[in-house]
Amino acid sequence: EPEVTQTPSHQVTQMGQEVILRCVPISNHLYFYWYRQILGQKVEFLVSFYNNEISEKSEIFDDQFSVERPDGSNFTLKIRSTKLEDSAMYFCASSEGAGHQHFGDGTRLSIL
Amino acid sequence: AQSVTQPDIHITVSEGASLELRCNYSYGATPYLFWYVQSPGQGLQLLLKYFSGDTLVQGIKGFEAEFKRSQSSFNLRKPSVHWSDAAEYFCAVGADYKLSFGAGTTVTVRA
Repeated sequence: EPEVTQTPSHQVTQMGQEVILRCVPISNHLYFYWYRQILGQKVEFLVSFYNNEISEKSEIFDDQFSVERPDGSNFTLKIRSTKLEDSAMYFCASSEGAGHQHFGDGTRLSIL
Repeated sequence: AQSVTQPDIHITVSEGASLELRCNYSYGATPYLFWYVQSPGQGLQLLLKYFSGDTLVQGIKGFEAEFKRSQSSFNLRKPSVHWSDAAEYFCAVGADYKLSFGAGTTVTVRA
């Protein structure tokens, strides 16, 4: 079964540094998403992306965050200047339409 | 805006016993409803989903869920729990191409 893949599985970064989390969605999917899960808390929606633009974003997704689909296969989340509170598990997901979103295994981001 | 409540933070069940996890949602229209399972350090695996039609949906690993519009609920059930079912379970409601998750229920299975 096709999978969403995320790299790296664990990223450790100094506070204030930029970080890029990478995702390869399922190849025929058109909708892409980022979610995050702070340790011990619920999974929270960050952003959805369709047709090369953001279709919806949450309050969490401020100017420090950006997403990009630089080529036909990758979907990235960039955090420009990381803060301690950005430490979380970040999940990428993709879907064909408004149905089932397929999730990757996540990237654990640790900010020191 | 949609939201999901999972009233039970933690449930302990004996292996072989039945399991029911509660989920209540808030959404103005007919929702898309999902149950995901997450094992420690792993991603989110879809157990089952409801879009329309039959209100009793079957999923993987022997799970089922029933959509009850009058109660705004989508409870997950399994008749006989296995030790491998120990995990965290998330109910989610989908609208406008985003999912809103509940806080999750951690299931512990005792021998």
